[in-house]
Amino acid sequence: AQSVTQLDSQVPVFEEAPVELRCNYSSSVSVYLFWYVQYPNQGLQLLLKYLSGSTLVKGINGFEAEFNKSQTSFHLRKPSVHISDTAEYFCAVRTLSNDYKLSFGAGTTVTVRA
Amino acid sequence: DTAVSQTPKYLVTQMGNDKSIKCEQNLGHDTMYWYKQDSKKFLKIMFSYNNKELIINETVPNRFSPKSPDKAHLNLHINSLELGDSAVYFCASSQWGEQEPQHFGDGTRLSIL
Repeated sequence: AQSVTQLDSQVPVFEEAPVELRCNYSSSVSVYLFWYVQYPNQGLQLLLKYLSGSTLVKGINGFEAEFNKSQTSFHLRKPSVHISDTAEYFCAVRTLSNDYKLSFGAGTTVTVRA
Repeated sequence: DTAVSQTPKYLVTQMGNDKSIKCEQNLGHDTMYWYKQDSKKFLKIMFSYNNKELIINETVPNRFSPKSPDKAHLNLHINSLELGDSAVYFCASSQWGEQEPQHFGDGTRLSIL
């Protein structure tokens, strides 16, 4: 079975500063990796995904993530955050099998301050 | 033009009652899911249906019964509600056999008094 660990439960950051959210996964088989964002009282919105190919993935709203197979990591970054980036961020993994279950990390709360 | 819509958005009810949450998607997907998000925001899959057939059934009390009348709908019925059922329930959909990620609804916040 696969599992996901988000290493930071809360990340406070000042507006226009960079942010990195760390995600590590565990799986005995190849995986697909995702980052979702949840704004207050809303559903989950896909930020970006890694399926195959280039290990640097660009997503919406200026976010990017890098897949590192040797370190089993998929860290999310943004070079300059806005107040509107305040949200909960979830890393998720799915195996390349007929099992279409998404396994989520516990989430990272990002609070952007002026 | 909402892709995955859930009703109701909020549900407040008493212990012991029976309630249903409805989900509809207009993305043409053939697979739908129910997830539970607890008070610590941890998300866990409960069920999944592909072409109206149950394909994922995690360790969930049998008080929870999903029903899929067609590919575009997946409803969740809960009998004899308990305090521990208080959570946000998310519906999601995707296309089976492809790499497309799951699309989520806005959630239904269930509060048991």
